[in-house]
Amino acid sequence: SYELTQPPSVSVSPGQTATITCSGDKLADKYTCWYQQQPGQSPVLVIYQDTKRPSGIPERFSASVSGNTATLTISGTQAVDEADYFCQAWDTNIAWVFGGGTKLTVL
Amino acid sequence: QITLKESGPTLVRPTQTLTLTCSFSGFSLSTSGVAVGWIRQPPGKALEWLALIYWNEDKGYSPRLESRLTVTKDLFRRKVVLTLTNMDPADTATYYCAQKGTKGHYFDSWGPGTLVTVSS
Repeated sequence: SYELTQPPSVSVSPGQTATITCSGDKLADKYTCWYQQQPGQSPVLVIYQDTKRPSGIPERFSASVSGNTATLTISGTQAVDEADYFCQAWDTNIAWVFGGGTKLTVL
Repeated sequence: QITLKESGPTLVRPTQTLTLTCSFSGFSLSTSGVAVGWIRQPPGKALEWLALIYWNEDKGYSPRLESRLTVTKDLFRRKVVLTLTNMDPADTATYYCAQKGTKGHYFDSWGPGTLVTVSS
């Protein structure tokens, strides 16, 4: 079965850039998106179709995909960005797969 | 405004069948490309995709759980129903339903989730 691997945790200082990776075989050939989940809340889509931001998501959220790795970047990280982040991929062979999640801590 | 809400039992006994209902509004499950999916999350753990039903009645199931899952839709009542048979304590999780929009393969909107505990 297809797997997406994320680091369990990432720490960043306020105002700095946070980078969260998601790795999977030939991930660039699939459709990738990212969700933010605040404690006790439902996930919220922050990136779709590899690099696009839904309306209402701050510009500091961006993403890229290359080879086997998708990367979520949060520029000028704020305290409100502290949350769990999940990547998700899709294609006709793997269907819908989520990564294991990364806890972002803003120190 | 799109809304989804999950409902069903909060406690299920081992070996029983879980039936959850997703009630939605603000979109039509008759529109081409639209789907409603089910995702679960054990306490403190990752999201896990379970099932999806499309506007055209196509369905998708997690290969790991396919033999235990069934998803159906009731357009008139704007509901999607998920059943999971032979429940086990390992199935204890928050169960979410979510909308897949007309484009792409991601979940635009999510329900608040419902915690289901499996215990004797």
